Amino acid sequence: EAQVTQNPRYLITVTGKKLTVTCSQNMNHEYMSWYRQDPGLGLRQIYYSMNVEVTDKGDVPEGYKVSRKEKRNFPLILESPSPNQTSLYFCASSSTSGRRADTQYFGPGTRLTVL
Amino acid sequence: QKEVEQNSGPLSVPEGAIASLNCTYSDRGSQSFFWYRQYSGKSPELIMFIYSNGDKEDGRFTAQLNKASQYVSLLIRDSQPSDSATYLCAVNQYGNKLVFGAGTILRVKS
Repeated sequence: EAQVTQNPRYLITVTGKKLTVTCSQNMNHEYMSWYRQDPGLGLRQIYYSMNVEVTDKGDVPEGYKVSRKEKRNFPLILESPSPNQTSLYFCASSSTSGRRADTQYFGPGTRLTVL
Repeated sequence: QKEVEQNSGPLSVPEGAIASLNCTYSDRGSQSFFWYRQYSGKSPELIMFIYSNGDKEDGRFTAQLNKASQYVSLLIRDSQPSDSATYLCAVNQYGNKLVFGAGTILRVKS
C-alpha cells in the first residue's frame, strides 16, 4: 500500500529535550515536506526536500532541522523544543515529474506537546 | 494579505443541499489548485485538483477555477453528514510548493 508513515503519532516532552519525528514514504517520491498545523493558521511549511541531500527552508523553519540521507526518509529534528512548538505536524511527499507531480500525500500526523 | 484566503465558516447546509466553498489566491503565476478534506485530528486527503479554467467534475464534487479573478471553488452536491469536515484549498506557486488556506469548516445537518 502506498503510504507516508510518521512516528511517533503522539509525543509529550519537556522544554529543551531533543526529539526526532520520523517520516517515511514508499512511493519513491523525490519531494518531501514538513508542515505544522495550528488553529486558525492552516498548514505552514517548515522545511522541504527536492531529493536526497537537497533541503531548504519553508515558511517557518526556526527551531527545526531536517536531513535527507535516503530518498524514503525525511526526519524532523527539534534540537531544543519550546512550548511554542506545540502543534500538529504532518509530513507529505510528492513526485516531481509526471502528470500529477505536485499532488502531495500526507502522513497521519504527529501531535506534539512541549511542556 | 494572505496568499490563499478562505472563509473560515462554519458553513452549515442541510443534508441533500449543495455546499459551495470558495478560495481566493494572490499569486497570479499559480499553476495548479487543490482541494483537500480534513476530518478533525486526521491528515488532509486529496479530493480534487484542477489546472485549467472552467469546471471539473468528479462524482458529487465539482471544482471551478477562474484564473482571471483568482478564485477557485468547490461544490459538493447532495451533501451528506459524512461530508462534515474542514476543506483546505491549496495553491501550487512554484516547483512542488503548496500554499494552504486556513480552511473552511463544513457542517451538514441531517
